[in-house]
Amino acid sequence: EVQLVQSGAEVKKPGESLKISCKGSGYSFTNYWIGWVRQMPGKGLEWMAIINPDDSETRYSPSFQGQVTISADKSISTAYLQWSSLQASDTAMYYCATWMAGRERFDPWGQGTLVTVSS
Amino acid sequence: QSVLTQPPSVSAAPGQKVTISCSGSSSNIGNHYVSWYQQLPGTVPKLLIYDNNMRPSGIPDRFSGSKSGTSATLAITGLQTGDEADYYCGTWDSSLSAGVFGGGTELTVL
Repeated sequence: EVQLVQSGAEVKKPGESLKISCKGSGYSFTNYWIGWVRQMPGKGLEWMAIINPDDSETRYSPSFQGQVTISADKSISTAYLQWSSLQASDTAMYYCATWMAGRERFDPWGQGTLVTVSS
Repeated sequence: QSVLTQPPSVSAAPGQKVTISCSGSSSNIGNHYVSWYQQLPGTVPKLLIYDNNMRPSGIPDRFSGSKSGTSATLAITGLQTGDEADYYCGTWDSSLSAGVFGGGTELTVL
């Protein structure tokens, strides 16, 4: 069974850095791109970025370019999303999901990581 | 403002049919596959339709998708109270070189 397991909830202060993770299992991690989706409280889904774990090629939504960094370590089948300086507006649920390049879909999804940024 | 436009909400009675539209442009829907996602309250989004009109295993045939030009439609027949959820369309946008979602549609089964 293909499964994505994300790291636990985080509570951070503005200005702090953060790196959340997403570990894939049940499939060849390097065969599929993997990405991140943001959902702010009470709001819709926002496509953030994807990475090809095989060669680390990335694609970012213009809305998130320069705001976050996506990375992956294929040796441990894990993708990451990181911030260098969090803001209160980064408070959201973040989902990772496998991206089917060329077919334009996310499936399956991780369970989500809630990030809360508050002073 | 989302690149893909969906109605904020739709509603219908149990047993009825409802359609949810997703409008885009030639840089996204017009030239790329469309997928649909269902997000039940408090849960993780789930793939409902892929490749415009294909259902993953386990998705009932009450759910169907279609695409014409730069618009896509999700149809749900035989509505059940358990279908109450937010529904999102998604695709790739060649101009942005990134994926995009619609703003989401809240379905209420009256």
